[in-house]
Amino acid sequence: QVQLVQSGAEVKKPGASVKVSCKASGYTFTSYGISWVRQAPGQGLEWMGWISAYNGNTNYAQKLQGRVTMTTDTSTSTAYMELRSLRSDDTAVYYCARVPSGIAASHGMDVWGQGTTVTVSS
Amino acid sequence: QSVLTQPPSASGTPGQRVTISCSGSSSNIGSNYVYWYQQLPGTAPKLLIYRNNQRPSGVPDRFSGSKSGTSASLAISGLRSEDEADYYCAAWDDSLSGRWVFGGGTKLTVL
Repeated sequence: QVQLVQSGAEVKKPGASVKVSCKASGYTFTSYGISWVRQAPGQGLEWMGWISAYNGNTNYAQKLQGRVTMTTDTSTSTAYMELRSLRSDDTAVYYCARVPSGIAASHGMDVWGQGTTVTVSS
Repeated sequence: QSVLTQPPSASGTPGQRVTISCSGSSSNIGSNYVYWYQQLPGTAPKLLIYRNNQRPSGVPDRFSGSKSGTSASLAISGLRSEDEADYYCAAWDDSLSGRWVFGGGTKLTVL
């Protein structure tokens, strides 16, 4: 079955970086994209960006441009999201989600990972 | 402040029909598909409706979606206790080089 399994919880200090992984299984990884979405405590969903596992193209949310980098490793069917210069308001659950297109970010997310809690605290 | 507007809460009794609205603009709902996600407490969102009114396999036909102009709605008929969750609408927005936007979420309570 299609599955996205994310890495474990992280605790970081302000100014540090975090890298979350998302390992895909049950489908042809390079035929799809991956979007990253985060959810601050008690808040709604916020789209962070998208990466094509087909050609590596990315589309980042303007708000995070310069702080976020999304990559994929097609040999292991794993997507990564790195967020730098962490602040307290980056504390959130981070989700990866499959996008049924390897070309466009505008296709909706269908399968989601279980989420990774990132806590930023001094 | 979310780009898409949803009521913060909704409620109904078992067996009842409830609807959740989602209002946007010409750059998102008005020109792109609407998606709906269900988030049970402590879990990841789950795709409920895609491309305005399509149900993924495994989603009961009690759930239905519709869209008109710059607004959309999710209807749940035959309400059940396990439907108690947060519901989010989402759409691609053509502004700012393109981005996904979400509603603020609607907490559905089954009384």
